[in-house]
Amino acid sequence: DGGITQSPKYLFRKEGQNVTLSCEQNLNHDAMYWYRQDPGQGLRLIYYSQIVNDFQKGDIAEGYSVSREKKESFPLTVTSAQKNPTAFYLCASSIAAYGGYTFGSGTRLTVV
Amino acid sequence: GENVEQHPSTLSVQEGDSAVIKCTYSDSASNYFPWYKQELGKRPQLIIDIRSNVGEKKDQRIAVTLNKTAKHFSLHITETQPEDSAVYFCAPTTGNQFYFGTGTSLTVIP
Repeated sequence: DGGITQSPKYLFRKEGQNVTLSCEQNLNHDAMYWYRQDPGQGLRLIYYSQIVNDFQKGDIAEGYSVSREKKESFPLTVTSAQKNPTAFYLCASSIAAYGGYTFGSGTRLTVV
Repeated sequence: GENVEQHPSTLSVQEGDSAVIKCTYSDSASNYFPWYKQELGKRPQLIIDIRSNVGEKKDQRIAVTLNKTAKHFSLHITETQPEDSAVYFCAPTTGNQFYFGTGTSLTVIP
């Protein structure tokens, strides 16, 4: 999928559970991002990472956590502290500067 | 962060007509101006971009124009086709900081 793979495509979570969304890229991009998209709305930044072992909070980081142990991987954990986690989650990567995003195909998370 | 606005939020055009979407931003340091297209249920895809040293760029039926003084850039689609129906996002960029607009839903009526 264009060099960036998200899994799973659909995910169901019970209330009180933590879940982890996978994002892997083979584009050798330095920067990786997680966005949340709610129906009919734009993209909101959760976390981003510009280099390995470093990441910064975006606009809506509360209730989420990330890690960047490898350049290729940027998993997102949706914790039980996230009160409204049902959404479409998009991972993206970019060359460190002056590069457009490449997006993954997304994970649709539903709380049941 | 950057304050990004897109206008209009929805746009309907007849097939064959032109469509224009405008994106205004607040950070004068922005230096990269991409547009993304997102079809229903799919990922956004980069369709065209422009750098700060260029005023206009064209790729077949799609063009982007930039006015850095006024801090806005626009997406132009000519000879629209039904497959152009999608949500379009602008994302003015400062360094490695991308700020997405709220999106414009374009419907092309056959």
